[in-house]
Amino acid sequence: TQLLEQSPQFLSIQEGENLTVYCNSSSVFSSLQWYRQEPGEGPVLLVTVVTGGEVKKLKRLTFQFGDARKDSSLHITAAQPGDTGLYLCAAMGSGTYKYIFGTGTRLKVLA
Amino acid sequence: DAGVIQSPRHEVTEMGQEVTLRCKPISGHDYLFWYRQTMMRGLELLIYFNNNVPIDDSGMPEDRFSAKMPNASFSTLKIQPSEPRDSAVYFCASSLQGTGVLETQYFGPGTRLLVL
Repeated sequence: TQLLEQSPQFLSIQEGENLTVYCNSSSVFSSLQWYRQEPGEGPVLLVTVVTGGEVKKLKRLTFQFGDARKDSSLHITAAQPGDTGLYLCAAMGSGTYKYIFGTGTRLKVLA
Repeated sequence: DAGVIQSPRHEVTEMGQEVTLRCKPISGHDYLFWYRQTMMRGLELLIYFNNNVPIDDSGMPEDRFSAKMPNASFSTLKIQPSEPRDSAVYFCASSLQGTGVLETQYFGPGTRLLVL
């Protein structure tokens, strides 16, 4: 069974702080996605990374795909209350065409 | 576009009752997905359709669960009989071309189901 383990599970920080969340697996993936889910809503895609070592930036968010394409990280600079939510990584399972989702990191940014 | 539409948004029912969840995908999207989200198990894929045909239902937990897509603009997920362990948020999602590397899934707002 392919698993995507995310860490930390929960994170509560003050506005303006930086943070990094991780998505790890023992499997190699052809691509990986990050979604953000706000309370009472469905997940919304933030980014897709495809190439090992790839770095993508989305305003204050920086995403990196591991060189071996087994892991990924999301770094947020100067977090704001609007960044509060559940962050999910997702990857296509090997030998299937289905995306599997990570265990999630629940982030709360306090004003 | 209105996005993926799900109904009802909340459902409270008693154990043993039939529950039907509804989904309208984004127009023009060929793929439709049903997910279940719980604190314990996270977000799990139950079943997905391509052009109204079920492709993979290996995530459907038991025979009590069934899903249909009678046309391109409507799908249902039915639980009969419902049990307390079915309590979860059920999401419907759609995508333009399926489950390719760069494909984006668009999620609905979810149906929060509570089975007493």
